[in-house]
Amino acid sequence: DGGITQSPKYLFRKEGQNVTLSCEQNLNHDAMYWYRQDPGQGLRLIYYSQIVNDFQKGDIAEGYSVSREKKESFPLTVTSAQKNPTAFYLCASSIDSGNSPLHFGNGTRLTVT
Amino acid sequence: AQKITQTQPGMFVQEKEAVTLDCTYDTSDQSYGLFWYKQPSSGEMIFLIYQGSYDEQNATEGRYSLNFQKARKSANLVISASQLGDSAMYFCAMRDLLGGYNKLIFGAGTRLAVHP
Repeated sequence: DGGITQSPKYLFRKEGQNVTLSCEQNLNHDAMYWYRQDPGQGLRLIYYSQIVNDFQKGDIAEGYSVSREKKESFPLTVTSAQKNPTAFYLCASSIDSGNSPLHFGNGTRLTVT
Repeated sequence: AQKITQTQPGMFVQEKEAVTLDCTYDTSDQSYGLFWYKQPSSGEMIFLIYQGSYDEQNATEGRYSLNFQKARKSANLVISASQLGDSAMYFCAMRDLLGGYNKLIFGAGTRLAVHP
């Protein structure tokens, strides 16, 4: 079945360490996105990518980095520069069309202590 | 800047009754899309319904319908015959076309609780 896979589901890190969240899709979608969700809040866009080797900052990109070397993969690195990294991270993808919905993975819950 | 506002942090409804979740938006674009997503406690985001700004009819998908009032810039979600499984967070979102990239911006969400 086609879908988006995020791994791991739960991730624990010590403060000061970089951590990479995985996102893989087999939907053949061109566009991919990373969102952050804090408790009781909506989703905020971190980075998005329309095509391979191209990506754009979203509203809260500081402290994060991404790469898009393959169409299927869009990993997110949370760096030590991110002030409040503990959050729920959601990856999504979509067809390159204005009417198409985003399809989401099941998310990764990151806890940094 | 485009913005989505959901003014109801929480809503309660009796099972089998209908409920309306409010969403207003702000945009200067003439062409845009509005989406509703459901997020159960497990965390995944489930796409429910879509309304395009030029669609003349209100969108419907099973028990979900979208009450689209363009002049008032509102896109309320109506859930008919509520079920216990409808208890979840609900997010309204709008497609933002910026520099050719299609990204969604989200409201803060409404938590719906369905009581038996």
